[in-house]
Amino acid sequence: GAVVSQHPSRVICKSGTSVKIECRSLDFQATTMFWYRQFPKKSLMLMATSNEGSKATYEQGVEKDKFLINHASLTLSTLTVTSAHPEDSSFYICSAGHPSDRETQYFGPGTRLLVL
Amino acid sequence: SQQGEEDPQALSIQEGENATMNCSYKTSINNLQWYRQNSGRGLVHLILIRSNEREKHSGRLRVTLDTSKKSSSLLITASRAADTASYFCATDKYQLTFGKGTKLSVIP
Repeated sequence: GAVVSQHPSRVICKSGTSVKIECRSLDFQATTMFWYRQFPKKSLMLMATSNEGSKATYEQGVEKDKFLINHASLTLSTLTVTSAHPEDSSFYICSAGHPSDRETQYFGPGTRLLVL
Repeated sequence: SQQGEEDPQALSIQEGENATMNCSYKTSINNLQWYRQNSGRGLVHLILIRSNEREKHSGRLRVTLDTSKKSSSLLITASRAADTASYFCATDKYQLTFGKGTKLSVIP
Protein backbone atom coordinates (compact mmCIF):
# COMPACT_ATOMS: atom_id res chain seq x y z
CA GLY A 1 0.00 0.00 0.00
CA ALA A 2 0.83 3.73 0.13
CA VAL A 3 1.06 4.50 -3.57
CA VAL A 4 1.01 8.07 -4.78
CA SER A 5 0.55 8.96 -8.43
CA GLN A 6 1.08 12.17 -10.33
CA HIS A 7 -0.32 13.27 -13.64
CA PRO A 8 1.00 14.24 -16.06
CA SER A 9 4.50 12.83 -15.82
CA ARG A 10 5.79 15.52 -18.11
CA VAL A 11 4.30 18.55 -19.77
CA ILE A 12 5.52 21.14 -22.23
CA CYS A 13 3.60 24.38 -22.45
CA LYS A 14 3.89 27.83 -23.92
CA SER A 15 4.79 30.81 -21.79
CA GLY A 16 1.68 32.46 -20.35
CA THR A 17 -0.45 29.35 -20.14
CA SER A 18 -1.52 27.57 -16.97
CA VAL A 19 -0.68 24.00 -16.13
CA LYS A 20 -2.44 21.74 -13.64
CA ILE A 21 -0.65 18.86 -11.96
CA GLU A 22 -2.59 16.21 -10.08
CA CYS A 23 -1.41 14.23 -7.10
CA ARG A 24 -3.42 11.24 -5.96
CA SER A 25 -3.08 8.82 -3.11
CA LEU A 26 -4.28 5.58 -4.66
CA ASP A 27 -4.82 3.25 -1.74
CA PHE A 28 -5.08 5.47 1.29
CA GLN A 29 -6.62 8.72 2.39
CA ALA A 30 -4.20 11.56 2.88
CA THR A 31 -5.30 14.47 4.99
CA THR A 32 -2.01 16.19 4.25
CA MET A 33 -0.14 16.41 0.99
CA PHE A 34 3.05 18.27 0.24
CA TRP A 35 4.32 19.91 -2.93
CA TYR A 36 8.03 20.13 -3.64
CA ARG A 37 10.08 21.63 -6.40
CA GLN A 38 13.42 20.21 -7.45
CA PHE A 39 15.96 21.94 -9.68
CA PRO A 40 18.50 19.85 -11.61
CA LYS A 41 21.07 18.26 -9.32
CA LYS A 42 19.56 20.08 -6.38
CA SER A 43 17.59 19.24 -3.32
CA LEU A 44 13.84 19.24 -2.92
CA MET A 45 12.39 22.52 -1.77
CA LEU A 46 9.06 22.43 0.00
CA MET A 47 6.64 24.77 -1.68
CA ALA A 48 3.48 24.24 0.33
CA THR A 49 1.58 21.95 2.64
CA SER A 50 -1.90 21.08 1.50
CA ASN A 51 -4.59 20.08 3.98
CA GLU A 52 -7.88 18.62 2.82
CA GLY A 53 -10.69 21.11 3.02
CA SER A 54 -8.58 24.08 4.01
CA LYS A 55 -6.19 26.55 2.46
CA ALA A 56 -2.67 25.46 1.73
CA THR A 57 0.21 26.71 3.81
CA TYR A 58 2.90 28.19 1.60
CA GLU A 59 6.58 28.40 2.37
CA GLN A 60 8.30 31.74 2.45
CA GLY A 61 9.08 33.01 -1.00
CA VAL A 62 6.47 30.89 -2.79
CA GLU A 63 3.83 32.97 -4.54
CA LYS A 64 0.33 31.84 -3.60
CA ASP A 65 -1.24 33.37 -6.69
CA LYS A 66 1.36 31.79 -8.92
CA PHE A 67 1.12 28.27 -7.54
CA LEU A 68 -2.50 27.51 -6.76
CA ILE A 69 -3.07 24.46 -4.61
CA ASN A 70 -6.39 22.75 -4.12
CA HIS A 71 -6.95 19.75 -1.88
CA ALA A 72 -10.57 18.98 -2.61
CA SER A 73 -10.68 15.41 -1.36
CA LEU A 74 -8.71 13.04 0.84
CA THR A 75 -7.10 11.46 -2.22
CA LEU A 76 -6.49 14.37 -4.56
CA SER A 77 -4.45 17.55 -4.45
CA THR A 78 -3.76 19.73 -7.46
CA LEU A 79 -1.05 22.26 -8.17
CA THR A 80 -1.78 24.82 -10.87
CA VAL A 81 1.10 26.85 -12.20
CA THR A 82 -0.59 29.99 -13.48
CA SER A 83 0.78 32.10 -16.32
CA ALA A 84 3.81 29.87 -16.54
CA HIS A 85 7.17 31.30 -17.54
CA PRO A 86 10.42 29.56 -18.52
CA GLU A 87 11.80 30.05 -15.01
CA ASP A 88 8.95 27.86 -13.72
CA SER A 89 10.42 24.92 -15.60
CA SER A 90 11.31 22.36 -13.01
CA PHE A 91 10.55 18.95 -11.54
CA TYR A 92 7.52 19.09 -9.26
CA ILE A 93 7.01 16.28 -6.77
CA CYS A 94 4.12 15.71 -4.42
CA SER A 95 4.02 13.55 -1.33
CA ALA A 96 1.34 12.39 1.03
CA GLY A 97 1.32 11.59 4.68
CA HIS A 98 -0.14 8.20 5.53
CA PRO A 99 -2.65 8.21 8.42
CA SER A 100 -1.02 5.17 10.05
CA ASP A 101 2.52 6.48 9.69
CA ARG A 102 2.63 10.19 10.23
CA GLU A 103 6.42 10.39 10.15
CA THR A 104 6.87 9.03 6.64
CA GLN A 105 5.93 10.75 3.42
CA TYR A 106 5.11 8.77 0.32
CA PHE A 107 6.20 10.45 -2.86
CA GLY A 108 4.71 10.58 -6.28
CA PRO A 109 6.89 9.97 -9.35
CA GLY A 110 7.14 13.66 -10.15
CA THR A 111 6.09 15.90 -13.03
CA ARG A 112 8.63 17.44 -15.38
CA LEU A 113 7.43 20.87 -16.51
CA LEU A 114 9.06 22.65 -19.41
CA VAL A 115 7.83 26.12 -20.28
CA LEU A 116 8.87 27.38 -23.68
CA SER B 1 17.52 27.32 5.05
CA GLN B 2 18.66 23.89 4.03
CA GLN B 3 19.08 21.58 6.98
CA GLY B 4 20.83 18.47 5.73
CA GLU B 5 24.08 18.37 3.83
CA GLU B 6 25.20 15.09 2.32
CA ASP B 7 28.77 14.10 1.79
CA PRO B 8 30.18 13.16 -0.65
CA GLN B 9 28.22 14.81 -3.46
CA ALA B 10 29.07 11.92 -5.73
CA LEU B 11 30.39 8.43 -5.11
CA SER B 12 31.43 5.78 -7.58
CA ILE B 13 32.15 2.22 -6.45
CA GLN B 14 32.42 -1.27 -7.85
CA GLU B 15 29.59 -3.72 -7.42
CA GLY B 16 30.01 -5.67 -4.22
CA GLU B 17 31.74 -2.87 -2.35
CA ASN B 18 30.17 -0.97 0.50
CA ALA B 19 28.97 2.60 0.06
CA THR B 20 28.94 5.11 2.89
CA MET B 21 27.19 8.45 2.71
CA ASN B 22 27.15 11.07 5.40
CA CYS B 23 24.68 13.75 6.36
CA SER B 24 25.17 16.71 8.65
CA TYR B 25 22.46 18.99 9.93
CA LYS B 26 22.22 22.17 11.93
CA THR B 27 19.32 22.20 14.37
CA SER B 28 17.54 19.77 16.65
CA ILE B 29 15.41 17.10 15.06
CA ASN B 30 12.63 14.63 15.85
CA ASN B 31 13.94 12.10 13.40
CA LEU B 32 16.15 11.77 10.35
CA GLN B 33 15.13 9.91 7.23
CA TRP B 34 16.96 8.65 4.20
CA TYR B 35 15.36 8.60 0.79
CA ARG B 36 16.46 7.29 -2.57
CA GLN B 37 15.71 8.87 -5.94
CA ASN B 38 16.30 7.24 -9.29
CA SER B 39 17.03 9.70 -12.08
CA GLY B 40 13.96 11.72 -12.98
CA ARG B 41 11.71 9.86 -10.57
CA GLY B 42 10.10 10.39 -7.22
CA LEU B 43 11.60 9.58 -3.87
CA VAL B 44 11.41 6.26 -2.09
CA HIS B 45 11.59 6.15 1.68
CA LEU B 46 14.41 3.91 2.89
CA ILE B 47 14.71 4.22 6.63
CA LEU B 48 13.85 6.47 9.55
CA ILE B 49 15.91 6.86 12.68
CA ARG B 50 14.59 8.72 15.69
CA SER B 51 16.54 11.22 17.67
CA ASN B 52 16.84 8.81 20.62
CA GLU B 53 18.20 6.00 18.44
CA ARG B 54 21.84 5.52 17.54
CA GLU B 55 21.76 2.81 14.91
CA LYS B 56 19.21 1.08 12.75
CA HIS B 57 19.34 -1.71 10.19
CA SER B 58 17.12 -2.61 7.28
CA GLY B 59 18.35 -5.34 4.95
CA ARG B 60 21.61 -4.12 3.43
CA LEU B 61 21.14 -0.67 4.90
CA ARG B 62 22.67 0.54 8.13
CA VAL B 63 22.00 4.01 9.45
CA THR B 64 23.71 5.68 12.37
CA LEU B 65 22.80 8.90 14.10
CA ASP B 66 25.01 11.02 16.33
CA THR B 67 22.93 13.85 17.71
CA SER B 68 25.89 15.34 19.56
CA LYS B 69 27.67 15.82 16.23
CA LYS B 70 24.43 16.42 14.35
CA SER B 71 25.37 13.83 11.78
CA SER B 72 24.11 10.61 10.28
CA SER B 73 25.56 8.02 7.97
CA LEU B 74 23.98 5.59 5.55
CA LEU B 75 25.89 2.42 4.76
CA ILE B 76 24.85 0.20 1.88
CA THR B 77 26.62 -3.13 2.06
CA ALA B 78 27.40 -5.41 -0.88
CA SER B 79 26.27 -2.81 -3.37
CA ARG B 80 24.52 -3.74 -6.59
CA ALA B 81 24.23 -1.93 -9.90
CA ALA B 82 20.55 -1.39 -9.07
CA ASP B 83 21.59 0.72 -6.08
CA THR B 84 22.69 3.44 -8.50
CA ALA B 85 20.63 6.48 -7.53
CA SER B 86 20.74 9.70 -5.58
CA TYR B 87 20.37 9.41 -1.83
CA PHE B 88 18.95 12.19 0.31
CA CYS B 89 18.81 12.67 4.01
CA ALA B 90 15.87 14.60 5.39
CA THR B 91 15.52 15.97 8.87
CA ASP B 92 12.11 16.19 10.46
CA LYS B 93 11.32 18.76 13.09
CA TYR B 94 8.17 20.53 11.95
CA GLN B 95 8.53 19.54 8.31
CA LEU B 96 10.87 17.48 6.18
CA THR B 97 13.96 19.37 5.04
CA PHE B 98 16.12 17.69 2.45
CA GLY B 99 19.83 17.83 1.80
CA LYS B 100 21.35 18.12 -1.66
CA GLY B 101 21.92 14.42 -1.97
CA THR B 102 24.72 12.04 -2.82
CA LYS B 103 24.77 10.60 -6.29
CA LEU B 104 25.86 6.97 -6.06
CA SER B 105 27.06 5.07 -9.09
CA VAL B 106 27.64 1.33 -8.72
CA ILE B 107 29.70 -0.05 -11.57
CA PRO B 108 28.92 -3.66 -12.56
